[in-house]
Amino acid sequence: ETGVTQTPRHLVMGMTNKKSLKCEQHLGHNAMYWYKQSAKKPLELMFVYSLEERVENNSVPSRFSPECPNSSHLFLHLHTLQPEDSALYLCASSQDSVGQPSSGYTFGSGTRLTVV
Amino acid sequence: AQSVAQPEDQVNVAEGNPLTVKCTYSVSGNPYLFWYVQYPNRGLQFLLKYITGDNLVKGSYGFEAEFNKSQTSFHLKKPSALVSDSALYFCAVSFLLNDYKLSFGAGTTVTVRA
Repeated sequence: ETGVTQTPRHLVMGMTNKKSLKCEQHLGHNAMYWYKQSAKKPLELMFVYSLEERVENNSVPSRFSPECPNSSHLFLHLHTLQPEDSALYLCASSQDSVGQPSSGYTFGSGTRLTVV
Repeated sequence: AQSVAQPEDQVNVAEGNPLTVKCTYSVSGNPYLFWYVQYPNRGLQFLLKYITGDNLVKGSYGFEAEFNKSQTSFHLKKPSALVSDSALYFCAVSFLLNDYKLSFGAGTTVTVRA
């Protein structure tokens, strides 16, 4: 285990369902990230939270809704998804300071999402 | 503008042979460079990073990488590849103008044949 835990590991959902992905980190990091990884495509940064505030939202459709209730937990709420949203969703965390280089990210194992 | 590039989608080597995975960057100022590895259906695992100091960085699982400022490269190397090194490898860069967030390359799939 890396210290970043994602649940569930696998999720199959219909296009009309509502589900949530959960990420938890026990590293004391102050920033958390959601990435989407599709086959044959580069990693797509979706959302960035720093000190529980959303600092980046990279033109992600509104059917994806992030939530960061505290510095240890990050959720991705899903509703009315499309089949093209099927992918591996990765959560990451880091300990970063303003104006300082990144010390690197710690990733969870991901949630494999299939939309049917 | 792309800040880090991995020019090879795939690298195939025989077990026991040297392995090189290429990475070049295009950022101004001082880049901070990282390599990650991803096994099937897993998250990315940190291998090594260059921040400052010695240009040759040693990391996990016998991997090393050399920072070459004149060639703007940070190639990952292993002297003798193992079948278990077969995975997807990502180069990443962090730099001031990107608020020091990591920008990832597209990834290189390494296959080591027995």
